[in-house]
Amino acid sequence: GENVGLHLPTLSVQEGDNSIINCAYSNSASDYFIWYKQESGKGPQFIIDIRSNMDKRQGQRVTVLLNKTVKHLSLQIAATQPGDSAVYFCAEIQGAQKLVFGQGTRLTINP
Amino acid sequence: EAQVTQNPRYLITVTGKKLTVTCSQNMNHEYMSWYRQDPGLGLRQIYYSMNVEVTDKGDVPEGYKVSRKEKRNFPLILESPSPNQTSLYFCASGGEMKKLFFGSGTQLSVL
Repeated sequence: GENVGLHLPTLSVQEGDNSIINCAYSNSASDYFIWYKQESGKGPQFIIDIRSNMDKRQGQRVTVLLNKTVKHLSLQIAATQPGDSAVYFCAEIQGAQKLVFGQGTRLTINP
Repeated sequence: EAQVTQNPRYLITVTGKKLTVTCSQNMNHEYMSWYRQDPGLGLRQIYYSMNVEVTDKGDVPEGYKVSRKEKRNFPLILESPSPNQTSLYFCASGGEMKKLFFGSGTQLSVL
């Protein structure tokens, strides 16, 4: 079947630096792509989404980029803070009723 | 406070002993879903419900049952639990699928 996956399972960055988390997808028919953040001991939390007809969407300190040519999605976090330490999942809405998650990337912030 | 409440947070049981994990949301969401999270496998959908009395299988429904008799509740039932159902379970709800709210999770161990 078609999957949503991640290039790297872990990422370490210095506090204050920018973080870029990547995701590859294979279902070119998906309408929406979403990023979730999961802190230790908690459920995933919605961060930002992007529709397939957009290339870029910005939120507070986060930017999602979508490159449909190479089927690549990324989440950029500006000025990374200790509270950004978490596992980040990309997800994809396939069809009308199915939300499929990628494997996740663990982001670690070094002081 | 808007939230998705799962109970219990932790559960240890034995093979074959029926159990129910409850899930309740107070946001009047139509969509609800159950996921299991396993190391290396990410979040996989078990069952989902688009509305009251409407439920559908996700990617890994075997060994599970659900019901949606009222909008706020979506219990997950394991009629005869087996060790391969040891996992971290999350319930989620949403007014739209691209933005789900997750519960805090239920860690289930089946001995």
